[in-house]
Amino acid sequence: AQKVIQVWSTTSRQEGEKLTLDCSYKTSQVLYHLFWYKHLLSGEMVLLIRQMPSTIAIERSGRYSVVFQKSRKSISLVISTLQPDDSGKYFCALWELAANTGANTGKLTFGHGTILRVHP
Amino acid sequence: EAAVTQSPRSKVAVTGGKVTLSCHQTNNHDYMYWYRQDTGHGLRLIHYSYVADSTEKGDIPDGYKASRPSQENFSLILELASLSQTAVYFCASSDGTQNTLYFGAGTRLSVL
Repeated sequence: AQKVIQVWSTTSRQEGEKLTLDCSYKTSQVLYHLFWYKHLLSGEMVLLIRQMPSTIAIERSGRYSVVFQKSRKSISLVISTLQPDDSGKYFCALWELAANTGANTGKLTFGHGTILRVHP
Repeated sequence: EAAVTQSPRSKVAVTGGKVTLSCHQTNNHDYMYWYRQDTGHGLRLIHYSYVADSTEKGDIPDGYKASRPSQENFSLILELASLSQTAVYFCASSDGTQNTLYFGAGTRLSVL
């Protein structure tokens, strides 16, 4: 079963609009982290947001924020005032301790990603 | 300036041939990872490593080997490349505490 679910595979918006990308996750661990990454057209994978359940999200820039609903196991990425450069593929990811050993492997489990196209 | 460098950036390989993808990091991180990305899938973990001279199997290790000769270097080896291994491959490093992965720019591999 998928642990990280991003419903949209592709979406298009106009420049200036606001966009919310949804992500839900499954974990039985108390300690976990959530991430939003952006895969740029250049190939680079950049970190946008790191969210821990007990802390305020760390934002990469003023236009990126998250709506974190811990009880619903949901973390949505909000991008305000879309620009054409926001086009790319957005991944939600989960880090958690290994269920069987409790060890920290450091590995992330990714959702399938959402391709965003922003039109001028 | 790039802290995680992958080479080559793209490669075309023939079925049955051997392919080696290289990754070098200057983050001084202990943890390194190889992921592959396919259309319709997220990034899936192939192999990872906590320390030099040791590697661990990820979620989809079949058909791949990994080598970590030093803290800075982590290679992914396809001994007998197959069509199904056509994908974009990402290397990443982490300090294992913040659990943030720092990625290379990816290698686009096409197996013909």
